[in-house]
Amino acid sequence: DAGVIQSPRHEVTEMGQEVTLRCKPISGHDYLFWYRQTMMRGLELLIYFNNNVPIDDSGMPEDRFSAKMPNASFSTLKIQPSEPRDSAVYFCASSYQSQRYNSPLHFGNGTRLTVT
Amino acid sequence: KNQVEQSPQSLIILEGKNCTLQCNYTVSPFSNLRWYKQDTGRGPVSLTIMTFSENTKSNGRYTATLDADTKQSSLHITASQLSDSASYICVVSDGRGGSYIPTFGRGTSLIVHP
Repeated sequence: DAGVIQSPRHEVTEMGQEVTLRCKPISGHDYLFWYRQTMMRGLELLIYFNNNVPIDDSGMPEDRFSAKMPNASFSTLKIQPSEPRDSAVYFCASSYQSQRYNSPLHFGNGTRLTVT
Repeated sequence: KNQVEQSPQSLIILEGKNCTLQCNYTVSPFSNLRWYKQDTGRGPVSLTIMTFSENTKSNGRYTATLDADTKQSSLHITASQLSDSASYICVVSDGRGGSYIPTFGRGTSLIVHP
């Protein structure tokens, strides 16, 4: 398995522009998480899905952020309009959970977003 | 509110030396605790998992301990190598409603010097 795949690896955009981050989770995993990482705040959970359904989006900072998971193999995180304070590394992670076992989170290599 | 606190925030050691990283948590109900290693420019990778009944678990030169009574865990690295330079993150999952949603610590940044 190729692991969790995120694109793009780097994104530089101007304030006010729309940004879309993409994630392909590991096949068979039923949970998908979006995190944001900064030096000041560490890893922050933005939203997570279970079987493609958003379960908790309380970490989404503002209405400018939205996330979708149209099928089990694809998710997007969109920021519209983007602001300089959105600059961070955004990670997608997936995992598998059952009554008897929960796998570790498998992270992608992140998207480094810079908003100027 | 579930919280995970790690110490020290950063640590610098010489190659070949041992070190211990600490993690305190207030997560309820407790399900499991994992230590992750995050290399620069990469996503975190799981090193070990500890459940309620486990006190010690080793993975090569990494040994994790868990004291569920005091809600503390440690990660001991033996005979450090330059490749151990990374951020080490303690992650505790609760078992509410059958799901295992993790709470992340801020991490300890370890630098190993030759």
